[in-house]
Amino acid sequence: QSALTQPASVSGSPGQSITISCTGDSSDLGDYSLVSWYQQQPGKAPKLMIYEGTKRPSGVSDRFSGSKSDNTASLTISGLQAEDEADYYCCSYAGGRAVLVVFGGGTKLTVL
Amino acid sequence: QVQLVQSGAEVKKPGASVKVSCEASGYTFTSHYLAWVRQAPGQGLEWIGWINPNSGATSLAPNFRAWVTLTRDTSSSTAYMELNGLKSVDTAVYFCARWGITTRAPDFWGQGTLVTVSS
Repeated sequence: QSALTQPASVSGSPGQSITISCTGDSSDLGDYSLVSWYQQQPGKAPKLMIYEGTKRPSGVSDRFSGSKSDNTASLTISGLQAEDEADYYCCSYAGGRAVLVVFGGGTKLTVL
Repeated sequence: QVQLVQSGAEVKKPGASVKVSCEASGYTFTSHYLAWVRQAPGQGLEWIGWINPNSGATSLAPNFRAWVTLTRDTSSSTAYMELNGLKSVDTAVYFCARWGITTRAPDFWGQGTLVTVSS
């Protein structure tokens, strides 16, 4: 069982916005943890989409945004496109834990 | 450009060992930690640990400390992960990933190596 909880699936129509949540306890998503989000297409390696909760790496569309409030992190995708259909994983890094990095169980995004 | 190229798929019997390699290019190998993550078929991502290529120091998650060894060869910019005493439940795709200095997250990933454990 993952330390971070995500919905198993979300869906939306092209052009709509969706939000994927990621919840955990204070040791996983507290003030001293760093949250990142990954997109994984079938058969491919994960791709970093968001780091430090809200920042986008170079080359990632600004349709992707991240936020965090208390012990919940969120990934929002606006203007959904067919190519956004993939699995999405949240990830938390916190030094000092026995397990430095924990992942959420993943959310399957379906673009209708 | 940053690239991580992993060794090919392996099929092993229960109890065997396997060594997966990850060759880095496009950046200074010793400047970034190198992480390992696995993904069982149809499942999510699981953190294994990381190695500091500069010092060779490692940190492994508790579930992997007894049977996983991380090493590196700085002369060839290659990291290695050895898995010992394999069980069928260890069947998974094993990824290496560069730990970003700015991002403080795995930012570039290898293509993955499928390790199948079957009698």
